[in-house]
Amino acid sequence: EAGVAQSPRYKIIEKRQSVAFWCNPISGHATLYWYQQILGQGPKLLIQFQNNGVVDDSQLPKDRFSAERLKGVDSTLKIQPAKLEDSAVYLCASSLDRVNNEQFFGPGTRLTVL
Amino acid sequence: GENVEQHPSTLSVQEGDSAVIKCTYSDSASNYFPWYKQELGKRPQLIIDIRSNVGEKKDQRIAVTLNKTAKHFSLHITETQPEDSAVYFCAARPLSGTYKYIFGTGTRLKVLA
Repeated sequence: EAGVAQSPRYKIIEKRQSVAFWCNPISGHATLYWYQQILGQGPKLLIQFQNNGVVDDSQLPKDRFSAERLKGVDSTLKIQPAKLEDSAVYLCASSLDRVNNEQFFGPGTRLTVL
Repeated sequence: GENVEQHPSTLSVQEGDSAVIKCTYSDSASNYFPWYKQELGKRPQLIIDIRSNVGEKKDQRIAVTLNKTAKHFSLHITETQPEDSAVYFCAARPLSGTYKYIFGTGTRLKVLA
């Protein structure tokens, strides 16, 4: 089966600029996750969707980050405005459902904020 | 809050030797413990997992053990090979609430030929 797709793979922006990332989960996967992985650390969950509804966004910095999954398939994560500390790899993952199923990760988007 | 500690942060072993990575979790409601391998510049991939109703699980050269009382779980890799070199992440997930994974900070394993 095709894996989780993400784009772009790399992005370099100046601080205070905006950026958006796109994720296409594995077909049929109801649950979609966005993680932030800072260099040398484990992935940290930013937001979790079940179909098109938000299940958990407790660690999403809502003053600058937003995410949507309008039709319950693709998702976008936006940062506006970006800060230096947002430099990280943004990983998207999906699973059949959130209860008893493996999470499959995409290749990630490496964001550098200058 | 929920937390997973992982040790060591780096580990170097000679090819053929064994490697052990240990994790401790704080949320006693956690009942699912996956291990992910992440090669440089690549996506994390699940290599083995264990649920709280078993104490040990093996898959060829890889095994995971779980001590629920102590809230510890460990990854064991035997007969290590250079291709085992990667960063390994443990995670813990509760069977309630949002079922979200809490990841450890990772262990960089280097297998020396």
